Amino acid sequence: LAKTTQPISMDSYEGQEVNITCSHNNIATNDYITWYQQFPSQGPRFIIQGYKTKVTNEVASLFIPADRKSSTLSLPRVSLSDTAVYYCLVGERGSGNTGKLIFGQGTTLQVKP
Amino acid sequence: EAGVAQSPRYKIIEKRQSVAFWCNPISGHATLYWYQQILGQGPKLLIQFQNNGVVDDSQLPKDRFSAERLKGVDSTLKIQPAKLEDSAVYLCASRHTGEQYFGPGTRLTVT
Repeated sequence: LAKTTQPISMDSYEGQEVNITCSHNNIATNDYITWYQQFPSQGPRFIIQGYKTKVTNEVASLFIPADRKSSTLSLPRVSLSDTAVYYCLVGERGSGNTGKLIFGQGTTLQVKP
Repeated sequence: EAGVAQSPRYKIIEKRQSVAFWCNPISGHATLYWYQQILGQGPKLLIQFQNNGVVDDSQLPKDRFSAERLKGVDSTLKIQPAKLEDSAVYLCASRHTGEQYFGPGTRLTVT
């Protein structure tokens, strides 16, 4: 499973767009990029997953360049409730694999009023 | 759809005592995981079950930790005897074919 590197912490203000970039230089052909969010005293929660180009859902967007060596999670117009730790992970997807996840330290996002 | 249930939510024990955590995964999820999350770090996988069989327990400290998943549904994780460094949140997750769904965790404090 490829190792990921992301900033330890980020600060933002309410209403701003937040972009968190993750590096995964050794990503394999079969690997997908997945982001989880974790609030204090809760387990991680799946946010978004993608393989290439752009993926968007009701919560976030995920931008993946052609070489797939990095990815950027974009959170539009953050609010105080988006204060959390965000984890970037890479690994295989689907029923034919173990679904194993290796978490790094994550990025602690602090949203200020 | 009910989420992953864990109990207890909090536990305080003295070192050298034993403790057990319980997890009830989402119905129909064949894969179950136990993670240890030390304060300030990301979760670390301890053991993974596929139905009632162990898929990966390479990071489980087998001299003191044990886990079982009888009947391929509920699972228990036991620590015996506990050490101070076992203080952490123990997370259970389950999965069908897509992403993992995590429970709220059990916060263990060993004094």
